[in-house]
Amino acid sequence: DAGVTQSPTHLIKTRGQQVTLRCSPKSGHDTVSWYQQALGQGPQFIFQYYEEEERQRGNFPDRFSGHQFPNYSSELNVNALLLGDSALYLCASSATGKLTEAFFGQGTRLTVV
Amino acid sequence: EDQVTQSPEALRLQEGESSSLNCSYTVSGLRGLFWYRQDPGKGPEFLFTLYSAGEEKEKERLKATLTKKESFLHITAPKPEDSATYLCAVRTHYGGSQGNLIFGKGTKLSVKP
Repeated sequence: DAGVTQSPTHLIKTRGQQVTLRCSPKSGHDTVSWYQQALGQGPQFIFQYYEEEERQRGNFPDRFSGHQFPNYSSELNVNALLLGDSALYLCASSATGKLTEAFFGQGTRLTVV
Repeated sequence: EDQVTQSPEALRLQEGESSSLNCSYTVSGLRGLFWYRQDPGKGPEFLFTLYSAGEEKEKERLKATLTKKESFLHITAPKPEDSATYLCAVRTHYGGSQGNLIFGKGTKLSVKP
């Protein structure tokens, strides 16, 4: 079992550009959540996807959008990048309908210059 | 408002010196309290989930306990390899299903040989 995998691991983008991050959930998991973690802070919830729809959303602007595919994998898109978007972006997967653990990927380190 | 507070922010221990990390929370409809270990630049590594007051779980030198207001992560005879940031999170209730995780800022543990 490969666990939760994210790509790429590191990314450098210029302010104003757009970026797409990818996540494959743990085998048997159908729910994917995305989190943003600034340096020295705990992860902050961006949104959650289930059955290819956004089910819940945190306090993030519309520049942050996502998608879930039929195989449960997911993408996070960020438009019009700001310097403040620099962070570690984490994907977590879980199995809906159960009180189960949430497992995280290794994260994507995004640097906006 | 749902909230998680961890203390202390940083903790320095000598190898073999046992101690505890605290996580206090306020949440409507707790659907699980999670402990994660996070190494620098990596994604959080799942340690424990606790669901009800009085529950305890152990893993090697770590033991997690839960009350109605807080959780403790006890570290017995720590080793240098236990050095990491320990994150506490609560899962919220969302429409009868799993809500997002709300994280504390973490406790940075350093264990000196």
